[in-house]
Amino acid sequence: ETGVTQSPTHLIKTRGQQVTLRCSSQSGHNTVSWYQQALGQGPQFIFQYYREEENGRGNFPPRFSGLQFPNYSSELNVNALELDDSALYLCASSLQGAPTYEQYFGPGTRLTVT
Amino acid sequence: AQSVTQLGSHVSVSEGALVLLRCNYSSSVPPYLFWYVQYPNQGLQLLLKYTSAATLVKGINGFEAEFKKSETSFHLTKPSAHMSDAAEYFCAVSTTSGTYKYIFGTGTRLKVLA
Repeated sequence: ETGVTQSPTHLIKTRGQQVTLRCSSQSGHNTVSWYQQALGQGPQFIFQYYREEENGRGNFPPRFSGLQFPNYSSELNVNALELDDSALYLCASSLQGAPTYEQYFGPGTRLTVT
Repeated sequence: AQSVTQLGSHVSVSEGALVLLRCNYSSSVPPYLFWYVQYPNQGLQLLLKYTSAATLVKGINGFEAEFKKSETSFHLTKPSAHMSDAAEYFCAVSTTSGTYKYIFGTGTRLKVLA
């Protein structure tokens, strides 16, 4: 069973640029959620994708957008990067309707905006 | 709305001493609760989960947690701390309607003293 993978591991961008982060979900999972973890804080829910559509969103501006592909992998896109976007971005996969509501996390992508 | 509160952003214990990390939740429905550990520069690893079965939940690495509805608590314990337990610990509650997402606490950094 392949776990959740994310790429790249680390990324450095300049303010105003755009970035794309990628996530491959665990085998058998059909839902992907993205979380932002700023330094010293708990992860915050960005949005979730199910059946290739956004299935809920946290308190993040529209410049945070995403995609889910037919193989359930996902991308997180952030436009017009700001310094405060520097964080660890975590992807989590799950099976919609699973009785335990458990999500499985990838290792994260560390984004630094300068 | 559901939420979790972790009391104590930093906890220090001596090696071999009891570890107690506190988590209180707020939920109008039976909660699904999780404890995750995060080592430096890594993603989240599931320690244990409460899914309305047994109130005493045993997890990996000798950790366990007890669900107490009357106290709305889900504290994490380990009888004897090991140096390798030094990490950040997060308590989370899963929403169970609408978009299934995690709401995390702010985390507790555990330091183990030799």
